Amino acid sequence: SQTIHQWPATLVQPVGSPLSLECTVEGTSNPNLYWYRQAAGRGLQLLFYSVGIGQISSEVPQNLSASRPQDRQFILSSKKLLLSDSGFYLCAWSASFGISRGYTFGSGTRLTVV
Amino acid sequence: AQKITQTQPGMFVQEKEAVTLDCTYDTSDPSYGLFWYKQPSSGEMIFLIYQGSYDQQNATEGRYSLNFQKARKSANLVISASQLGDSAMYFCAMRGAGNQFYFGTGTSLTVIP
Repeated sequence: SQTIHQWPATLVQPVGSPLSLECTVEGTSNPNLYWYRQAAGRGLQLLFYSVGIGQISSEVPQNLSASRPQDRQFILSSKKLLLSDSGFYLCAWSASFGISRGYTFGSGTRLTVV
Repeated sequence: AQKITQTQPGMFVQEKEAVTLDCTYDTSDPSYGLFWYKQPSSGEMIFLIYQGSYDQQNATEGRYSLNFQKARKSANLVISASQLGDSAMYFCAMRGAGNQFYFGTGTSLTVIP
């Protein structure tokens, strides 16, 4: 069966520090991968998605970047965090085709920038 | 343009009663999928139910059912016999021909004992 792992679960970082969040998927190949951010009590904002190794699409210009060094690995990074980067970050994967194939989400990372 | 609209920011329901969470969508894709997810306070996103645009019957999964009205472009979630554990945020989402999902802004459901 397919599983998705996301870590760390919580993170407190000072302003200006770097960030690296990792997400890995098991049990499937060539998944579509996504990074979302959710402010407290708000909806989901798509940050990046990837349909293959090295292929990254950015939805929102921001202080963040994403990379996909391996088929089932998706990394969210920042060189210098801002206070506004605080939030709940969710990684997700879906099959690369098929309207019936929904998202499977990771357990999320709560990032607090202080 | 693809769009999902959830017009109820918050809903209350008495325990054991049924509740309907509204979702309307807009798409030009001839085929699409509609999904509902539950997000409890822990933050995890839990898949609840799926409806395909060509499905003739409304989807059901246990106490969850999806009231799909294609002509009205609505995909409302019905939760029967509400339980305290149903208190959570609920998101409607759509997948079209592309690789992206479109999410609504969510509805916060509170079940009152």
